[in-house]
Amino acid sequence: DAGVIQSPRHEVTEMGQEVTLRCKPISGHDYLFWYRQTMMRGLELLIYFNNNVPIDDSGMPEDRFSAKMPNASFSTLKIQPSEPRDSAVYFCASSAQGATYNSPLHFGNGTRLTVT
Amino acid sequence: GQNIDQPTEMTATEGAIVQINCTYQTSGFNGLFWYQQHAGEAPTFLSYNVLDGLEEKGRFSSFLSRSKGYSYLLLKELQMKDSASYLCAVREVGRLAFGKGNQVVVIP
Repeated sequence: DAGVIQSPRHEVTEMGQEVTLRCKPISGHDYLFWYRQTMMRGLELLIYFNNNVPIDDSGMPEDRFSAKMPNASFSTLKIQPSEPRDSAVYFCASSAQGATYNSPLHFGNGTRLTVT
Repeated sequence: GQNIDQPTEMTATEGAIVQINCTYQTSGFNGLFWYQQHAGEAPTFLSYNVLDGLEEKGRFSSFLSRSKGYSYLLLKELQMKDSASYLCAVREVGRLAFGKGNQVVVIP
């Protein structure tokens, strides 16, 4: 059974460029989460979706960040324009039965973003 | 909102027992998870507690006291492969918020 698939694994870009991160959740999971991880702040929840609908985007840093989930098997996180402080590892995770029960989150391998 | 506190780092000897603590404050508790994260890898699920008490899974056990906002993860018979960061995460409805993790270094 394939896990959560993220692409690219690594992304190096220059300040001001647009960055798009991609995620394919585990088939049948109806919740999808985007997290960002840095040494200073740890794992921060950016946004999560239920049945393709954004439920809570209060963690999105600012208007430069946007996320979409056009169907149950695909989500994107876009940063435009990117800044050096956006450098981090971005994880996508999915879970079944939502977040109100003991369904663990399954994480993808992450995208390591470096903005120079 | 949530406030999750974990100590940052500890070193232990192979074969020993180590306890990792987590304290939290939350407005709506819906369970506590422990995850393991090796350097450069994704977090992987270890255990889940929603009721007070101890949950045991092989060499790993996790304890929860909801009234105290406190949990610990107990690692027994430490192995070198247990060197990793251990993250506690508190679930409110729909959200899972993580602590910064506790780095465990296992030495021979």
